[in-house]
Amino acid sequence: QVQLVESGGGVVQPGRSLSLSCAVSGFLVSGYGMHWVRQAPGRGLEWLAVISYDGNKRYYADSVKGRFTISRDVSKNILHLQMSSLRDDDTAVYYCAKDKGVRLGLDYWGQGTLVTVSS
Amino acid sequence: DIQMTQSPSTLSASIGDRVTITCRASQTIYTWLTWYQQKPGRAPKLLIYKASDLEAGVPSRFSGSGSGTEFTLTISSLQPDDVATYYCQHPDPILVSFGGGTKVEIK
Repeated sequence: QVQLVESGGGVVQPGRSLSLSCAVSGFLVSGYGMHWVRQAPGRGLEWLAVISYDGNKRYYADSVKGRFTISRDVSKNILHLQMSSLRDDDTAVYYCAKDKGVRLGLDYWGQGTLVTVSS
Repeated sequence: DIQMTQSPSTLSASIGDRVTITCRASQTIYTWLTWYQQKPGRAPKLLIYKASDLEAGVPSRFSGSGSGTEFTLTISSLQPDDVATYYCQHPDPILVSFGGGTKVEIK
């Protein structure tokens, strides 16, 4: 069955970097667009980034453009999010999610991994 | 950028009530609108895509409607399991945007 499992969260100091991973099983990341979405404590959902099914297109929210990089390892079927210049307001639960299809929403999500940016 | 605005932000209703949540887009998005349910401590769950198509396995008491800039999510008969926060989303392939959420509680 389909499973997405995030890892890599933890406590990090402001200004530092952190890398998140999303291990996927049950489908190939090379066949679907893949997203990162976050949720700050007590807040709503914030979309961060998408990588297209063919890996050729990557788009970002303004809030993370230039600081975060989405990528994937097709051989390992893993999605990544490289985060740099982290700020206090990047504290959130980070979810990876799969496209159901173009413009059809996100049909599978991971359980989330908590990133806390604090000195 | 397209902004998504939900109302109300909180809703309290009785078991069996018909519940309606509204989502407005800042410009037309045709029927490219998705609804999610999120329970505390859990990942969001896809309920409805393309404004009115019910995701497999979702109870039929959930329905979606609308086009252009105004959309609604309706729960025909509120159940205890429906206590959650509901989000609309415009799933643009380049710039995804979520509404602020509507928290549904039992009165």
